[in-house]
Order: sequence, then C-alpha cells, then structure tokens
Amino acid sequence: GESVGLHLPTLSVQEGDNSIINCAYSNSASDYFIWYKQESGKGPQFIIDIRSNMDKRQGQRVTVLLNKTVKHLSLQIAATQPGDSAVYFCAELMDTGRRALTFGSGTRLQVQP
Amino acid sequence: DGGITQSPKYLFRKEGQNVTLSCEQNLNHDAMYWYRQDPGQGLRLIYYSQIVNDFQKGDIAEGYSVSREKKESFPLTVTSAQKNPTAFYLCASSLRDGSNSPLHFGNGTRLTVT
Repeated sequence: GESVGLHLPTLSVQEGDNSIINCAYSNSASDYFIWYKQESGKGPQFIIDIRSNMDKRQGQRVTVLLNKTVKHLSLQIAATQPGDSAVYFCAELMDTGRRALTFGSGTRLQVQP
Repeated sequence: DGGITQSPKYLFRKEGQNVTLSCEQNLNHDAMYWYRQDPGQGLRLIYYSQIVNDFQKGDIAEGYSVSREKKESFPLTVTSAQKNPTAFYLCASSLRDGSNSPLHFGNGTRLTVT
C-alpha cells in the first residue's frame, strides 16, 4: 500500500479503549471543520463534520469537539477497534476568500489487539 | 455506484515528460479539487474548480495545469516544470465550493518520475 505519513505523530491504544485525536487549526476565520480517516493506499474517507456555531457533534462511536477560543478540534473514538487503525486528518474551511479545505498534517492511530 | 474514479492507480514517467492524471465523478458535484500528498505531510491543494470552465490555483499550482470542460471531469497535467513530481495525487469533489459540504475523495494516483 501507499506509505503516507511516514513521520506522523502516532497514537497507540488498546482495543476497546477510547481514543482522542487532537488538532490545532490555523485560522480563526474558519467556519467548518471535518475529520477524515485515511487507510494505506486509499483516499481520505469522511468521518464527521462540525460547523463553527456548534461545540460538539456526535456520530456513531465518534464525537467531535470544537474549542474556538484556543482553535482546537478533537476527535473521540469510543471502543476503538482494529479497523480504526489509520491516519486521521482534520480539515478546516475558512469563511473568507478561498473556499477549499486546508488539511492538517495528520495523526496515525494504531490499535493494539 | 456513485463515486470518484482516478486512473491509473500507479503511473511511471521519465523526467521531462508531461503526464495527465484522470479524475471522473458521477456524483453530480459542482466543485472538484486536486491535492498532493507527500509522506509526513497533510494534503496540499494544487487546483480547484467551482464550476465548468473555471478553476483557481491552490497553494502549490506551479508546474501543474488543469481543465474543466465537463462537470464530471477534472484532469490534472503534471508538466516537466514541476520540480518534484513524484507524489500521491488525490482528486475530490463536493456539492458546491466546499461550503459546509464535505469533500469526497478518489483513491488516488501514485506518480513516480525517474
């Protein structure tokens, strides 16, 4: 498969534990945020999104938290499974100017059985 | 099945040659994007198009060119002017110009230039 993110920060968790992946975004004018999951050799897959008028949004086993004061985004995965092992990216969309997503550098999640 | 198709999955070229990467979507999305991904880095925006016959440069457009003659197609040409073309190239689309709608990605083309 593709070797993406060879030097990424890595989070290692035990199967069944909860995972928290953090992201510091760059622009206070950003008004929309997305978390993506990327498995080796594949394109990023949408997980969950949140608008800037919210501070929390829940999906199936995932929760995204947004703290606009410190420009911080987090992704919480409940009961982490081996299939969750991947690289996770946060992305932001700025309210002004270019309307295209800007991506963070990613975090590798490794789930130990 | 609706989705984004990038072809080929692997592409090899000699230095000095132009090469065109294909991206087709049948999602009826208006906006399309090209990103480049290198090991240890996130995705960087090359070009994007909000509507047919219109496109804008992203952060790293130098050495690349695009066209958007049809809604469903957004080919990327990597020219010989691109200094470091070996990378993983990802195409994406969205309903509109990314405004509160997520991007859907293809599975990428790995380009190796020797």
